Amino acid sequence: ETGVTQTPRHLVMGMTNKKSLKCEQHLGHNAMYWYKQSAKKPLELMFVYNFKEQTENNSVPSRFSPECPNSSHLFLHLHTLQPEDSALYLCASSPSGAGVNIQYFGAGTRLSVL
Amino acid sequence: DQQVKQNSPSLSVQEGRISILNCDYTNSMFDYFLWYKKYPAEGPTFLISISSIKDKNEDGRFTVFLNKSAKHLSLHIVPSQPGDSAVYFCAARAQDNQAGTALIFGKGTTLSVSS
Repeated sequence: ETGVTQTPRHLVMGMTNKKSLKCEQHLGHNAMYWYKQSAKKPLELMFVYNFKEQTENNSVPSRFSPECPNSSHLFLHLHTLQPEDSALYLCASSPSGAGVNIQYFGAGTRLSVL
Repeated sequence: DQQVKQNSPSLSVQEGRISILNCDYTNSMFDYFLWYKKYPAEGPTFLISISSIKDKNEDGRFTVFLNKSAKHLSLHIVPSQPGDSAVYFCAARAQDNQAGTALIFGKGTTLSVSS
């Protein structure tokens, strides 16, 4: 148990559906992240939030919409996805400020877009 | 172009022997390097880190070596155990990254330790 919980663990959706991924951390961290891991590719950073403010959007298509209502919760809203968006979506959290700021990951949501 | 490269997709080692996982990088602005381990159906878990001002960091059976001139780091596991079988990711943080802590990951190396 890493202190970062992601739900659902698995999700199958059609290209016209709207769904949301949820991430919750109980570590008192102020930074939260969404990563995407496709087959045979490195983890790709999607979004970064520091103190609820989005500080990075790594050229992610608008069909992915993040939301961070507070420092403990992070959502990724999905709509009109494409089959190539099928991947493992990982949430992480870390402290902010100086130092290495180790990121702690959730178990991920395995998304399949049909 | 990948800034963090793990050129060996897999490594097989016998129990009790040393495992050496390698990582190369291109960005001289990286200030911290981290190794994560990932089991199937779990998220990556932090293993060990090293600051760019150090050349070695040790934690139990795990030691990370950094060669800045070669832009190369390696993770040594000694002695290797079957429970170490997992995917190992090398990650780096850029000192000038506006987000402060976002990491850039390699593709990972799958380590298999046989008993």
